Amino acid sequence: EAGVTQFPSHSVIEKGQTVTLRCDPISGHDNLYWYRRVMGKEIKFLLHFVKESKQDESGMPNNRFLAERTGGTYSTLKVQPAELEDSGVYFCASRPKPQDSQETQYFGPGTRLLVL
Amino acid sequence: KQEVTQIPAALSVPEGENLVLNCSFTDSAIYNLQWFRQDPGKGLTSLLLIQSSQREQTSGRLNASLDKSSGRSTLYIAASQPGDSATYLCAVRRETSGSRLTFGEGTQLTVNP
Repeated sequence: EAGVTQFPSHSVIEKGQTVTLRCDPISGHDNLYWYRRVMGKEIKFLLHFVKESKQDESGMPNNRFLAERTGGTYSTLKVQPAELEDSGVYFCASRPKPQDSQETQYFGPGTRLLVL
Repeated sequence: KQEVTQIPAALSVPEGENLVLNCSFTDSAIYNLQWFRQDPGKGLTSLLLIQSSQREQTSGRLNASLDKSSGRSTLYIAASQPGDSATYLCAVRRETSGSRLTFGEGTQLTVNP
């Protein structure tokens, strides 16, 4: 079974540009999460999808970030326009069932974003 | 607000030593606690998940304990090996914040041959 995949693995862009990150969860997983780790800080939650619906987007830092999950399969996270402080590693995770406290979250390898 | 703290931030030990990594959390109302491993440039691999009703979980040379009332968890690694070198992360899922995880900053472990 394929794990969570993320694309691209690395992205270097200039301030003011737009970047779109993609996450493909494990097949059949309804829950999809975005997290990020900025330099020197802990990994922080961004948002949570259940299928195509946003369950919790309280961690999104501002309106420059837009996440979508059309069709309830893969998800994209767009940053527009990118700022220097957006640099970091963006992780995606998935989990099988909507309401199950016993399920672990499976993480992808992350996208390393550098904004110059 | 839940805060998760991991001590120490970095640890270097000789091969074969038994070691303990510590995690503390401020809000004891948690569903579960997970320990993850992250290798450089890689994603997170779940090692152990402890439900709030459990006291410990074991997998091979790893044993994780949970004392919910005191807000503490430990990850015990027996007979450490160079391949155990990685960053170890503790994360909790709160009862009142859906299924999102709150992470500590991690402990960077180096096991020297």
